This record gives sequence, structure tokens and C-alpha cells, in this order.
Amino acid sequence: QVQFVESGGGVVQPGRSLRLSCAVSGVTFSNHGMHWVRQAPGKGLEWVAFIWSDGSNKYYVDSVKGRFTISRDNSENILYLQMNSVTAEDTAVYYCTRDRAKDYFDYWGQGTLVTVSS
Amino acid sequence: QSALTQPRSVSGSPGQSVTISCTGTSNDVGGSDYVSWYQQHPGKAPKLMIYDVTKRPSGVPDRFSGSKSGNTASLTISGLQADDEADYYCCSCAGSILWVFGGGTKLTVL
Repeated sequence: QVQFVESGGGVVQPGRSLRLSCAVSGVTFSNHGMHWVRQAPGKGLEWVAFIWSDGSNKYYVDSVKGRFTISRDNSENILYLQMNSVTAEDTAVYYCTRDRAKDYFDYWGQGTLVTVSS
Repeated sequence: QSALTQPRSVSGSPGQSVTISCTGTSNDVGGSDYVSWYQQHPGKAPKLMIYDVTKRPSGVPDRFSGSKSGNTASLTISGLQADDEADYYCCSCAGSILWVFGGGTKLTVL
């Protein structure tokens, strides 16, 4: 069956780095763009980053540009989010989700919680 | 890019219909047929309910329907059931490869 499994979350100090992973199975990973979407505690959804199926193009919300990097390994079916210089505002559950036609998100992982705290 | 505007909460009794609005601008909702809706139960991942304004993915009941007029998209849920109680989010691809969500609406089934 289709599975999107995020990992790598945890407690991180402000200014430090963290790398999230999303292991995908049950779909042809290399055929689709992928996104990261986050949700701060008690808040709504926020789109964070998008990467094309071949990894050639990447897009970010303004608040993470220059700090976060989305990447993928199509040989291993894994999506990554490298988070540098994190701040308290980055505290959220991070979801990986599959892109459909640069339009909507169909499959979602269960999310991984990142807490930025000293 | 500002978030799309949704009512904070709506409610209805079992069997009734409710409509959730999602207001944007001509740069997102009004200028695009790429509006989608997501249902999220507490502690769970979002689930796609509507895409391309009116289309339902396989497995989503036809009690869920979408529409759009000008800069406002709407999600209507008819024949309310207890399990429909959840948070609902709209989303629009705002062009220039940028996605924006609404602030979310909490649906309470009375």
C-alpha cells in the first residue's frame, strides 16, 4: 500500500540544524514532484517547499528561503528537508506530500514534529 | 502571499448541509481553477477532499462538493454525519509556483 513515512523530527536549539526525511513506497516516487507542508501547534497548514520530480527545480516559501533546502534521492525513494538556522517560528509538524500537476496534494505522511527550543 | 480567508468555525446538525467559504484574490482563487480542499481530524494528516474546484477523488462521498464564484471558493457538505466533524482547509496554487492555504475552519456537528 502507499506509505509516506517522515522521520528526523525532535527538539533542536535555535540556530542549529536538522534534516527531515520522508520515505515513500507504494507509488512511483520519481514520477512526481514532492512538497513539504508544516503546521505549527494549534495553527493552520503552511506550504514550505516543492521539488520537481527530477530534482531540477526547487521552490520555497519566503520565510525559509536561504535556510531550508529540499532535495530527493530517486534511487532510494526518499525526500529530504535540510533545516538550518532554525528559529522558534519553525516549530511545527512537518508533512511530506505528493504533488499532482503543480495543483494539489494527494498522498500525505503522518508528519514529524520539530520543536525549536533552548 | 497572504493566507486565504475562511470562517473560523461553522456548525450544523446531523443530516443538514453546511457551506465553508474560502476568499482570496484575483491572483489566487479568482484567477485559478486550482482550488483544493482538505479535511483534517485531530492528530491526523490532512486528506484531500476536493481538487480543481469541483472534482472529488475516488473514495470521497458525493456529499462533499465544491464550487467557485469570483474570488471565493466554497465547500458544501450535505447530509452531515458525526465523522464530518473536523478542520477543513482550502488551498490555491497562487501562480509562480506558490501554494497558499486558508486559515482553516472547524466544523462542529451538533
